[in-house]
Amino acid sequence: NAGVTQTPKFRILKIGQSMTLQCAQDMNHNYMYWYRQDPGMGLKLIYYSVGAGITDKGEVPNGYNVSRSTTEDFPLRLELAAPSQTSVYFCASGKNPNEQFFGPGTRLTVL
Amino acid sequence: QKEVEQNSGPLSVPEGAIASLNCTYSDRGSQSFFWYRQYSGKSPELIMFIYSNGDKEDGRFTAQLNKASQYVSLLIRDSQPSDSATYLCAVDTGTASKLTFGTGTRLQVTL
Repeated sequence: NAGVTQTPKFRILKIGQSMTLQCAQDMNHNYMYWYRQDPGMGLKLIYYSVGAGITDKGEVPNGYNVSRSTTEDFPLRLELAAPSQTSVYFCASGKNPNEQFFGPGTRLTVL
Repeated sequence: QKEVEQNSGPLSVPEGAIASLNCTYSDRGSQSFFWYRQYSGKSPELIMFIYSNGDKEDGRFTAQLNKASQYVSLLIRDSQPSDSATYLCAVDTGTASKLTFGTGTRLQVTL
């Protein structure tokens, strides 16, 4: 199993640009999550999904969108990037809420 | 807003000693408590979790809950230099799928 994979690993965006952060898992997990982690801070939940076709907002959803058309994939879309979205983004998945396996992260800089 | 608080550290302990990490949480209704380890530049990995009904021991790690005082502890026995990392505490929000993370405590195990 590859586990949770995320692409790209690094990205620099200009203000106002858009991009999609990809997340995929091959463990047939129903639960998937997107977090952001700012320097010296904990993880903030952006969006989560409990299964294909079902998504819900987390603590900091503004400026982001998600979709979950398949069990495997959970892309995160940034529209109109802003410097405040500079962060490390982690995707996680689990077969139940008590086990969240994290991907390697995407380091995003918005200039 | 439901909060999880941790001392940022660094907590410095000599090799072979017991490291004690704590976090406090604000929501009395929380039922599940998690400890993640995060090495610098890496993604978080789950060490262990406990429910509100009891403590847990797993190898050198013990998680303990004090419901009355609303704090959860992680004890690491026989600390090793490889235990040097940031330890994130997470608590369920009442919605089983969602966790609130603390900002983490940095542990340094010295030779």
